[in-house]
Amino acid sequence: DQQVKQNSPSLSVQEGRISILNCDYTNSMFDYFLWYKKYPAEGPTFLISISSIKDKNEDGRFTVFLNKSAKHLSLHIVPSQPGDSAVYFCAARDLTSGTYKYIFGTGTRLKVLA
Amino acid sequence: DVKVTQSSRYLVKRTGEKVFLECVQDMDHENMFWYRQDPGLGLRLIYFSYDVKMKEKGDIPEGYSVSREKKERFSLILESASTNQTSMYLCASSLSRAGKETQYFGPGTRLLVL
Repeated sequence: DQQVKQNSPSLSVQEGRISILNCDYTNSMFDYFLWYKKYPAEGPTFLISISSIKDKNEDGRFTVFLNKSAKHLSLHIVPSQPGDSAVYFCAARDLTSGTYKYIFGTGTRLKVLA
Repeated sequence: DVKVTQSSRYLVKRTGEKVFLECVQDMDHENMFWYRQDPGLGLRLIYFSYDVKMKEKGDIPEGYSVSREKKERFSLILESASTNQTSMYLCASSLSRAGKETQYFGPGTRLLVL
């Protein structure tokens, strides 16, 4: 059973507009969330994180929002640039696991059109 | 900068062969992970290790084993490769420290089993 879901496999956005990538989770014990970006033939690279004690974290053009009651996470990219075209993964950690193991979503492929 | 290296970028093996995938990290991280990435399935955890000689099964350990004899090195072993193990394999490492637990990934090994 998929505990972390990214229901949109792909998304296309015009350059300069906002990209919104969504992630839903089922486990209320998840306490820390990460977003990664992956280019073809490369490993994922860390983008931004958020702890469950916050509802927003911002880093430049990237903002992550957390709605704990809805068990929903979103990544906003403003303004979107062609170099942002990649696959984006969200990941969540289970506090009760006692480990730093993360569960990843299936990914959303973002295409930013010039 | 954290560096995670994987021994091969591309591998072609025959069914039944024993396959070794090596991963080395240079930042003294306690945790190391092996994932496979398949289209539509995202990153799935095969095994992870939180200390030397320690290992724990992830979500899909069947057909795989691991070895961690030194802190910096984590090996994934396919005892008898099968065609359904054709995939992109990603290694990652992280610290065991809350708030500093970002996983750093290697470039990946694309394995083709014929």
